[in-house]
Amino acid sequence: AQSVTQLDSQVPVFEEAPVELRCNYSSSVSVYLFWYVQYPNQGLQLLLKYLSGSTLVKGINGFEAEFNKSQTSFHLRKPSVHISDTAEYFCASDSGAGSYQLTFGKGTKLSVIP
Amino acid sequence: KAGVTQTPRYLIKTRGQQVTLSCSPISGHRSVSWYQQTPGQGLQFLFEYFSETQRNKGNFPGRFSGRQFSNSRSEMNVSTLELGDSALYLCASRTDELAGGRADTQYFGPGTRLTVL
Repeated sequence: AQSVTQLDSQVPVFEEAPVELRCNYSSSVSVYLFWYVQYPNQGLQLLLKYLSGSTLVKGINGFEAEFNKSQTSFHLRKPSVHISDTAEYFCASDSGAGSYQLTFGKGTKLSVIP
Repeated sequence: KAGVTQTPRYLIKTRGQQVTLSCSPISGHRSVSWYQQTPGQGLQFLFEYFSETQRNKGNFPGRFSGRQFSNSRSEMNVSTLELGDSALYLCASRTDELAGGRADTQYFGPGTRLTVL
Protein backbone atom coordinates (compact mmCIF):
# COMPACT_ATOMS: atom_id res chain seq x y z
CA ALA A 1 0.00 0.00 0.00
CA GLN A 2 1.11 3.51 -0.76
CA SER A 3 1.82 5.95 2.04
CA VAL A 4 2.77 9.60 2.26
CA THR A 5 4.56 11.08 5.27
CA GLN A 6 4.76 14.76 6.01
CA LEU A 7 7.48 15.13 8.56
CA ASP A 8 6.35 18.38 10.18
CA SER A 9 2.83 19.01 11.42
CA GLN A 10 3.49 22.72 11.98
CA VAL A 11 6.05 25.08 10.52
CA PRO A 12 6.33 28.68 11.73
CA VAL A 13 8.41 31.01 9.57
CA PHE A 14 8.96 34.74 9.43
CA GLU A 15 7.67 36.74 6.51
CA GLU A 16 10.11 36.96 3.57
CA ALA A 17 12.11 34.00 4.89
CA PRO A 18 12.47 30.78 2.85
CA VAL A 19 10.53 27.66 3.76
CA GLU A 20 10.72 23.96 3.01
CA LEU A 21 7.87 21.56 3.74
CA ARG A 22 8.98 17.96 3.72
CA CYS A 23 7.24 14.99 2.18
CA ASN A 24 8.31 11.38 1.81
CA TYR A 25 6.42 8.71 -0.06
CA SER A 26 6.58 4.96 -0.24
CA SER A 27 5.81 3.13 -3.41
CA SER A 28 7.03 0.07 -5.21
CA VAL A 29 5.81 1.37 -8.53
CA SER A 30 6.06 4.61 -10.43
CA VAL A 31 4.09 7.29 -8.69
CA TYR A 32 2.63 10.65 -9.45
CA LEU A 33 3.02 13.25 -6.71
CA PHE A 34 1.03 16.35 -5.84
CA TRP A 35 1.07 19.27 -3.44
CA TYR A 36 -2.23 20.88 -2.46
CA VAL A 37 -2.95 23.92 -0.28
CA GLN A 38 -6.02 24.43 1.88
CA TYR A 39 -6.98 27.85 3.19
CA PRO A 40 -9.36 28.08 6.16
CA ASN A 41 -12.91 27.02 5.33
CA GLN A 42 -12.00 26.15 1.77
CA GLY A 43 -11.33 23.08 -0.32
CA LEU A 44 -7.98 21.98 -1.68
CA GLN A 45 -6.17 23.82 -4.44
CA LEU A 46 -3.43 22.20 -6.52
CA LEU A 47 -0.04 23.91 -6.17
CA LEU A 48 1.97 21.61 -8.43
CA LYS A 49 2.35 18.03 -9.58
CA TYR A 50 5.12 15.70 -10.69
CA LEU A 51 4.29 13.19 -13.39
CA SER A 52 7.62 12.54 -15.12
CA GLY A 53 10.57 14.33 -16.69
CA SER A 54 12.36 17.17 -14.93
CA THR A 55 12.64 16.55 -11.23
CA LEU A 56 12.20 20.24 -10.40
CA VAL A 57 8.57 21.22 -10.68
CA LYS A 58 7.36 24.78 -10.54
CA GLY A 59 3.88 25.63 -9.37
CA ILE A 60 1.65 28.54 -8.58
CA ASN A 61 2.32 31.33 -6.09
CA GLY A 62 6.11 30.94 -6.39
CA PHE A 63 6.25 27.40 -4.98
CA GLU A 64 8.44 24.66 -6.39
CA ALA A 65 9.17 21.06 -5.45
CA GLU A 66 11.93 18.60 -6.20
CA PHE A 67 11.33 14.93 -6.84
CA ASN A 68 14.10 12.73 -5.47
CA LYS A 69 13.62 9.09 -6.33
CA SER A 70 16.59 7.78 -4.35
CA GLN A 71 15.36 9.47 -1.18
CA THR A 72 11.67 8.95 -2.04
CA SER A 73 11.05 12.61 -1.26
CA PHE A 74 9.07 15.44 -2.79
CA HIS A 75 9.82 18.51 -0.69
CA LEU A 76 8.03 21.81 -1.30
CA ARG A 77 9.97 25.07 -1.21
CA LYS A 78 9.42 28.79 -1.50
CA PRO A 79 12.30 31.28 -1.38
CA SER A 80 10.33 34.06 0.30
CA VAL A 81 6.98 33.57 2.03
CA HIS A 82 4.16 36.06 2.48
CA ILE A 83 1.48 36.37 5.10
CA SER A 84 -1.00 35.10 2.53
CA ASP A 85 0.85 31.75 2.39
CA THR A 86 -0.47 30.89 5.85
CA ALA A 87 -2.46 27.72 5.20
CA GLU A 88 -2.30 23.95 5.47
CA TYR A 89 -0.32 22.08 2.84
CA PHE A 90 -0.90 18.49 1.80
CA CYS A 91 1.37 16.17 -0.10
CA ALA A 92 -0.36 13.38 -2.02
CA SER A 93 0.39 10.50 -4.31
CA ASP A 94 -1.82 8.65 -6.68
CA SER A 95 -2.28 5.05 -5.76
CA GLY A 96 -1.25 3.39 -8.97
CA ALA A 97 -2.97 2.54 -12.17
CA GLY A 98 -6.54 1.47 -11.82
CA SER A 99 -7.16 2.77 -8.31
CA TYR A 100 -8.28 6.32 -9.13
CA GLN A 101 -7.58 7.70 -5.67
CA LEU A 102 -5.15 10.03 -3.95
CA THR A 103 -3.32 9.10 -0.77
CA PHE A 104 -2.67 12.17 1.36
CA GLY A 105 -0.16 13.00 4.05
CA LYS A 106 -1.41 14.35 7.37
CA GLY A 107 -0.71 17.93 6.33
CA THR A 108 1.65 20.69 7.43
CA LYS A 109 0.31 23.93 8.85
CA LEU A 110 2.43 26.81 7.68
CA SER A 111 2.22 29.92 9.82
CA VAL A 112 3.87 33.03 8.47
CA ILE A 113 4.85 35.46 11.20
CA PRO A 114 4.89 39.18 10.36
CA LYS B 1 -15.94 27.63 -16.00
CA ALA B 2 -17.64 27.32 -12.67
CA GLY B 3 -15.78 25.27 -10.10
CA VAL B 4 -16.91 22.23 -8.18
CA THR B 5 -19.94 23.08 -6.07
CA GLN B 6 -21.12 21.26 -3.01
CA THR B 7 -24.39 21.62 -1.16
CA PRO B 8 -25.13 22.20 1.56
CA ARG B 9 -22.02 23.85 2.98
CA TYR B 10 -22.95 23.15 6.58
CA LEU B 11 -25.15 20.50 8.10
CA ILE B 12 -26.07 19.52 11.64
CA LYS B 13 -27.61 16.14 12.32
CA THR B 14 -28.20 13.90 15.30
CA ARG B 15 -27.00 10.36 15.83
CA GLY B 16 -29.03 7.76 14.01
CA GLN B 17 -30.21 10.09 11.27
CA GLN B 18 -29.15 9.86 7.66
CA VAL B 19 -27.75 12.56 5.41
CA THR B 20 -27.30 13.19 1.70
CA LEU B 21 -24.60 15.47 0.33
CA SER B 22 -24.51 16.74 -3.22
CA CYS B 23 -21.67 17.55 -5.60
CA SER B 24 -21.76 19.19 -9.02
CA PRO B 25 -18.49 18.71 -10.93
CA ILE B 26 -16.88 21.11 -13.32
CA SER B 27 -18.61 21.02 -16.69
CA GLY B 28 -17.09 18.29 -18.84
CA HIS B 29 -15.58 16.37 -15.95
CA ARG B 30 -16.78 12.80 -15.81
CA SER B 31 -14.99 11.53 -12.71
CA VAL B 32 -16.11 12.47 -9.21
CA SER B 33 -14.33 11.43 -6.02
CA TRP B 34 -15.30 11.90 -2.39
CA TYR B 35 -12.96 12.34 0.57
CA GLN B 36 -13.53 12.64 4.30
CA GLN B 37 -11.36 15.06 6.26
CA THR B 38 -11.07 14.86 10.05
CA PRO B 39 -8.44 16.25 12.44
CA GLY B 40 -7.52 12.77 13.61
CA GLN B 41 -7.48 10.75 10.40
CA GLY B 42 -6.72 13.49 7.88
CA LEU B 43 -7.95 13.10 4.32
CA GLN B 44 -9.31 9.69 3.50
CA PHE B 45 -10.68 8.45 0.20
CA LEU B 46 -14.31 7.36 0.23
CA PHE B 47 -15.15 6.42 -3.36
CA GLU B 48 -14.87 7.43 -7.00
CA TYR B 49 -17.47 7.42 -9.74
CA PHE B 50 -17.14 7.55 -13.50
CA SER B 51 -20.01 7.34 -15.95
CA GLU B 52 -22.43 6.42 -13.17
CA THR B 53 -20.24 3.50 -12.05
CA GLN B 54 -18.31 3.21 -8.83
CA ARG B 55 -14.75 2.37 -9.83
CA ASN B 56 -13.08 2.35 -6.46
CA LYS B 57 -14.05 2.40 -2.82
CA GLY B 58 -12.08 3.26 0.28
CA ASN B 59 -12.10 1.48 3.60
CA PHE B 60 -15.37 2.78 5.01
CA PRO B 61 -18.39 0.88 6.35
CA GLY B 62 -21.40 0.19 4.21
CA ARG B 63 -23.25 3.08 5.85
CA PHE B 64 -21.38 5.27 3.39
CA SER B 65 -22.72 5.06 -0.12
CA GLY B 66 -22.86 7.17 -3.22
CA ARG B 67 -24.09 7.44 -6.72
CA GLN B 68 -23.53 9.41 -9.88
CA PHE B 69 -26.13 10.64 -12.30
CA SER B 70 -25.99 10.84 -16.09
CA ASN B 71 -25.02 14.52 -15.91
CA SER B 72 -22.02 13.55 -13.71
CA ARG B 73 -23.50 15.11 -10.58
CA SER B 74 -22.91 12.94 -7.56
CA GLU B 75 -24.45 12.37 -4.17
CA MET B 76 -23.14 10.59 -1.15
CA ASN B 77 -25.30 9.22 1.62
CA VAL B 78 -24.45 8.33 5.18
CA SER B 79 -27.02 6.33 7.08
CA THR B 80 -27.31 5.80 10.82
CA LEU B 81 -25.00 8.68 11.64
CA GLU B 82 -22.42 8.30 14.39
CA LEU B 83 -20.56 11.02 16.28
CA GLY B 84 -17.38 10.00 14.48
CA ASP B 85 -18.91 10.89 11.13
CA SER B 86 -18.49 14.57 11.96
CA ALA B 87 -16.10 15.78 9.30
CA LEU B 88 -15.54 17.93 6.26
CA TYR B 89 -16.63 16.00 3.19
CA LEU B 90 -14.83 17.03 0.04
CA CYS B 91 -15.80 16.29 -3.51
CA ALA B 92 -13.31 16.44 -6.38
CA SER B 93 -13.78 16.17 -10.12
CA ARG B 94 -11.45 15.56 -13.05
CA THR B 95 -11.68 14.92 -16.75
CA ASP B 96 -10.19 11.41 -16.65
CA GLU B 97 -8.57 11.88 -20.04
CA LEU B 98 -4.86 11.54 -19.29
CA ALA B 99 -3.00 8.29 -18.63
CA GLY B 100 -6.12 6.50 -17.50
CA GLY B 101 -6.94 9.28 -15.10
CA ARG B 102 -3.85 9.10 -12.95
CA ALA B 103 -2.27 12.27 -14.22
CA ASP B 104 -5.39 14.39 -14.20
CA THR B 105 -5.65 17.26 -11.80
CA GLN B 106 -8.39 16.78 -9.27
CA TYR B 107 -10.33 19.96 -8.60
CA PHE B 108 -11.84 20.15 -5.16
CA GLY B 109 -15.01 21.80 -3.99
CA PRO B 110 -15.28 23.83 -0.77
CA GLY B 111 -16.68 20.88 1.13
CA THR B 112 -19.69 20.17 3.30
CA ARG B 113 -19.06 20.47 7.04
CA LEU B 114 -21.17 17.79 8.76
CA THR B 115 -21.64 17.94 12.52
CA VAL B 116 -23.28 14.99 14.25
CA LEU B 117 -24.69 15.69 17.72
